Amino acid sequence: AQTVTQSQPEMSVQEAETVTLSCTYDTSESDYYLFWYKQPPSRQMILVIRQEAYKQQNATENRFSVNFQKAAKSFSLKISDSQLGDAAMYFCAYRSAFRGGGADGLTFGKGTHLIIQP
Amino acid sequence: GAVVSQHPSRVICKSGTSVKIECRSLDFQATTMFWYRQFPKQSLMLMATSNEGSKATYEQGVEKDKFLINHASLTLSTLTVTSAHPEDSSFYICSASPPGAMNTEAFFGQGTRLTVV
Repeated sequence: AQTVTQSQPEMSVQEAETVTLSCTYDTSESDYYLFWYKQPPSRQMILVIRQEAYKQQNATENRFSVNFQKAAKSFSLKISDSQLGDAAMYFCAYRSAFRGGGADGLTFGKGTHLIIQP
Repeated sequence: GAVVSQHPSRVICKSGTSVKIECRSLDFQATTMFWYRQFPKQSLMLMATSNEGSKATYEQGVEKDKFLINHASLTLSTLTVTSAHPEDSSFYICSASPPGAMNTEAFFGQGTRLTVV
């Protein structure tokens, strides 16, 4: 079974600064997908960024980027130019690719509560 | 994009009664949908995989007789919490993935806050 670990229950950053959220995972599979989801107080899950394990290039979406280290099984999220609207719970998640893209559910980490200081 | 809608958003029921939660994929067909449970300030835990036209697959420790799942069409999965008790109070979220290029991404419903009194 796969596990996802987020070791930072809470992080705080000044507005406009950069913050990095850490995530490690454990799997015996070679092909999988990794995600960062944002959950604001509304509790709607919003995809921030995703990474296919077979791709060496780190994914980037505007102010959000990841540092994917497959050998180390590490998948950190960097948020640049933090904005007040970035305040939320952030969940790292793993999805197996063994049976095809949408066939398996996600395994989530415990989450990191991100606070943005104005 | 792909839209998943969940209903109701909030429900309060009396202990011992059953409550049904619906999950619909609005603009795509989903042969598979997923149900998660989230306790306050905790992570999402996968409860079961809902398969259109066949039985649901439950995660270890999830009571299949307590949480009945029906996936009767390609756009609708329902979760029925039977004989609900206060410990079943939680936030329930469904997700689905559209076919094709976006099928690796999970789209989530708005969630249902269940309170059993």
